[in-house]
Amino acid sequence: AQSVTQPDIHITVSEGASLELRCNYSYGATPYLFWYVQSPGQGLQLLLKYFSGDTLVQGIKGFEAEFKRSQSSFNLRKPSVHWSDAAEYFCAVGAWVSGGYNKLIFGAGTRLAVHP
Amino acid sequence: KAGVTQTPRYLIKTRGQQVTLSCSPISGHRSVSWYQQTPGQGLQFLFEYFSETQRNKGNFPGRFSGRQFSNSRSEMNVSTLELGDSALYLCASSLGTGLAVGDTQYFGPGTRLTVL
Repeated sequence: AQSVTQPDIHITVSEGASLELRCNYSYGATPYLFWYVQSPGQGLQLLLKYFSGDTLVQGIKGFEAEFKRSQSSFNLRKPSVHWSDAAEYFCAVGAWVSGGYNKLIFGAGTRLAVHP
Repeated sequence: KAGVTQTPRYLIKTRGQQVTLSCSPISGHRSVSWYQQTPGQGLQFLFEYFSETQRNKGNFPGRFSGRQFSNSRSEMNVSTLELGDSALYLCASSLGTGLAVGDTQYFGPGTRLTVL
């Protein structure tokens, strides 16, 4: 069965420090991978997505992620964190279902705190 | 282009009541998916509607239902509310063409349902 694991429930970094959020997926076919961010009381905002091609994808707000098939990983990175990046981050895989479309399977999320 | 809108944003109900939540997708999007978000279970897929038809369904009891109108707006209904139905209900819209061709789900702000 398809699944997504985000090993880190909470991460705290200092403002200006680099960030890496881990994501591992379990999926038999070519995965379609996403990172979303959720601020308190808000919905999910798409940061970036991977479908095919270049394994390093760029997203909004200075985020990037690298797809590594051999490690079944899609880790999110940012070279310098800003206080406004404090939020919860969700990794998701698009799982094919009969009927033609796909549904998203989400990881449990990583809550990021940023110290000034 | 306006984003996904959900109404109401907050709801308080008592056990045994029923509730209807509404979602208006991005203009031109024909697919609406619903997700339930709780602290214990995380983000879980409820169902997806495309062209007024339920195309996919998650593992939720029959008390959870939905529909989609000809203008792609969608409603979900929960009957005989239970305390465990307290959650953030998120709606996502997409073109409905499938993740394999680059389709992406865009989320609304959610409806916070509290069941007392």
